[in-house]
Amino acid sequence: DIQMTQSPSSLSASIGDRVTITCQASQDITNYLNWYQQKPGKAPKLLIYAASNLETGVPSRFSGSGSGTDFTFTISSLQPEDIATYYCQQYHHLYTFGQGTKLEI
Amino acid sequence: QVQLVQSGGEVKKPGASVKVSCQASGYTFSRFYMHWVRQAPGQGLEWMGLINPVGGSTTYTQKFQGRLTMTRDTSTNTVYMELSSLRSEDTAMYYCARDGGSSSTWAFWGQGTLVTVSS
Repeated sequence: DIQMTQSPSSLSASIGDRVTITCQASQDITNYLNWYQQKPGKAPKLLIYAASNLETGVPSRFSGSGSGTDFTFTISSLQPEDIATYYCQQYHHLYTFGQGTKLEI
Repeated sequence: QVQLVQSGGEVKKPGASVKVSCQASGYTFSRFYMHWVRQAPGQGLEWMGLINPVGGSTTYTQKFQGRLTMTRDTSTNTVYMELSSLRSEDTAMYYCARDGGSSSTWAFWGQGTLVTVSS
């Protein structure tokens, strides 16, 4: 099974900050990685697919990069509505989520 | 517009089974796999398995082998997830999510179904 190690598990930031979350795969997954945002009581929302592609309708302050085993998710300027938990997900072989990063102000 | 509507919450006793439905609309049902994901209270997301609406073939994660059954009804565009031999650790929100095809983008999710296992 492919393991996804996401860090940090929680993060405190201020409005306007640049926020970065990392995700490391236990083996090469090329670019088969998505990023999701989940707010309390809601289903996850797709933000980034194939490591670096912005889903339609998602603000451009969100971005993703990386390939192979190391990936990064960035919010360029944190907004109040970005407070949520973020998950990476690999789909190279079956599907695995990272443990999540809870973003707080 | 694409919609996935799940059945309502369930309370079950340990050892029982639960069957959750997910009715799809707004797209051609046969074109996309459907996944099931669960989330225990305060915990992360856990992929359980998927079903191909064409033919009904399934793939389950090893953890649920023997306890999990996914089926579909093409006449009503509905997929079902049945989990048996329930234990307290199965208490969770269960989501269906539609696969996006070649890029496996899960852009559409059901609203979630809370399953509570308690004696």
